[in-house]
Amino acid sequence: GQNIDQPTEMTATEGAIVQINCTYQTSGFNGLFWYQQHAGEAPTFLSYNVLDGLEEKGRFSSFLSRSKGYSYLLLKELQMKDSASYLCAAEGYGAGNNRKLIWGLGTSLAVNP
Amino acid sequence: ETGVTQTPRHLVMGMTNKKSLKCEQHLGHNAMYWYKQSAKKPLELMFVYNFKEQTENNSVPSRFSPECPNSSHLFLHLHTLQPEDSALYLCASSARATGDTQYFGPGTRLTVL
Repeated sequence: GQNIDQPTEMTATEGAIVQINCTYQTSGFNGLFWYQQHAGEAPTFLSYNVLDGLEEKGRFSSFLSRSKGYSYLLLKELQMKDSASYLCAAEGYGAGNNRKLIWGLGTSLAVNP
Repeated sequence: ETGVTQTPRHLVMGMTNKKSLKCEQHLGHNAMYWYKQSAKKPLELMFVYNFKEQTENNSVPSRFSPECPNSSHLFLHLHTLQPEDSALYLCASSARATGDTQYFGPGTRLTVL
C-alpha cells in the first residue's frame, strides 16, 4: 500500500534546531513536499525535493533519500511562530495512473520559550 | 496570501439542508482540488479538476457534488450530509495537475448537525 509515517508530536525550545522525519511508501515516486499548517489556517508550501540531497531555504532545509524512502525537515533558530503542524506529502501514482499526493498525518511542533 | 479564496469560512447545516462551498483562485492555475481534513486523519483528496475536466473522484459519496465552470472557480454542492461529514474542507490549485506545488485556500469549517 501507500503510506507516510511521521511523528505525531514534537517539542523544542526557542532558538534550538529540530528535525522532523518522514518515511514514505508509494506506487512510483516523483517528489516530496513539506507544508506548514498553523491551527485554523491553510497549509502553506515549504519545500519540494525531487533529487537526493539537502535543499536549504533560509532557516528551513529539507532532505531526501529516494533509495531509503526517507525525508526530513530541519528547522533552525526556532521561533515561537514556528509552532504549527508540519505535513509531509509524497507524490506517487493513484488509480488510472494519475499522479497523486499521499499525505502524512502531520507533526505537531510546539516551540517553548 | 489571497491567491485562493474560499467562502463561507464556517458553515453549520442540518442533515436535510442543501448548501454549496465556493473556491476561487487568482493564480492563473489550471488544476483545482477539493480535500477533506478531519482530526487524526491525513488530508483526503476528494476531487481533482484539470482544465475544467474532472480527472479524479476518490470514491466520494454522491451527497458531495463538485462543479468546475472554469479554471478559476470550483464549487462543492452538499446535500443530505451526515454528522461524520463535519470537517475542514480545503480547496487547492496548482499550475498543472502533475508535480506542481498546490496552493491552499483557508478552508470551510463545516459542521453537520
